[in-house]
Amino acid sequence: QKEVEQNSGPLSVPEGAIASLNCTYSDRGSQSFFWYRQYSGKSPELIMFIYSNGDKEDGRFTAQLNKASQYVSLLIRDSQPSDSATYLCAVIWPLIFGKGTRLHILP
Amino acid sequence: EAQVTQNPRYLITVTGKKLTVTCSQNMNHEYMSWYRQDPGLGLRQIYYSMNVEVTDKGDVPEGYKVSRKEKRNFPLILESPSPNQTSLYFCASSLSGRAFFGQGTRLTVV
Repeated sequence: QKEVEQNSGPLSVPEGAIASLNCTYSDRGSQSFFWYRQYSGKSPELIMFIYSNGDKEDGRFTAQLNKASQYVSLLIRDSQPSDSATYLCAVIWPLIFGKGTRLHILP
Repeated sequence: EAQVTQNPRYLITVTGKKLTVTCSQNMNHEYMSWYRQDPGLGLRQIYYSMNVEVTDKGDVPEGYKVSRKEKRNFPLILESPSPNQTSLYFCASSLSGRAFFGQGTRLTVV
C-alpha cells in the first residue's frame, strides 16, 4: 500500500519569503511525483510534476526530488497572499495523495 | 475545453436511498478515479479505473460501487447511503498522473 506523508501545517510564511513544503513517500519504486494546489472549497489543480532526481523550476515554483531519501519538496519563492492554499503531494499509480499542507502567507 | 463534469454539485438524501453521482470527461483519458475529502483526512481514494471495464478498490471502497462501461463515464453509486458517507466527493481523470478534477459533489446523508 503506497503512502504519501505531509505535515498538515498550517505553515505560516511572511509575504515575499520562500515557502518550503515537504513530502515523503513509501514506495521506493515510485517514478512520478506531483504537486497540486487546492483553494478552500475548490478542486485541486496541478502546479508541478517531477520525474527525475534534482530540481525543476517553473516560474516562482521549484520542485525537488531525492529518490534515495524518498522525499519531494516544493519551494515557492517571493510568496504572495494568493499562494495561501492547501498543497497536496501525489504519486502514481494509482494516483494517491498526501493529506496536504495548509500554507498561509502573512501580508 | 478540457473538462471533467460531475453532477450533482450538491445533494441531500436520506439514509438507505440509492443514489448515483455522475462523472464524465472529454479528454479521452484512460485513468479515472473517485475521492472523498473530509476535514483532516485529505483526499482518500474510493475506486479507480485504469481503462474500460477495469476497476479497482482504493483505500475506502466500503459502501460504494463504480462501473466503467465506456471511457468517458465513471459513475459512483451508493446503494444504501449512511450518514458516515456525508462528505465532499471528487472525480478525476488523468494522463500520466496529471489529473483534472470535477467541481466536486457535496453529499449530505441524513
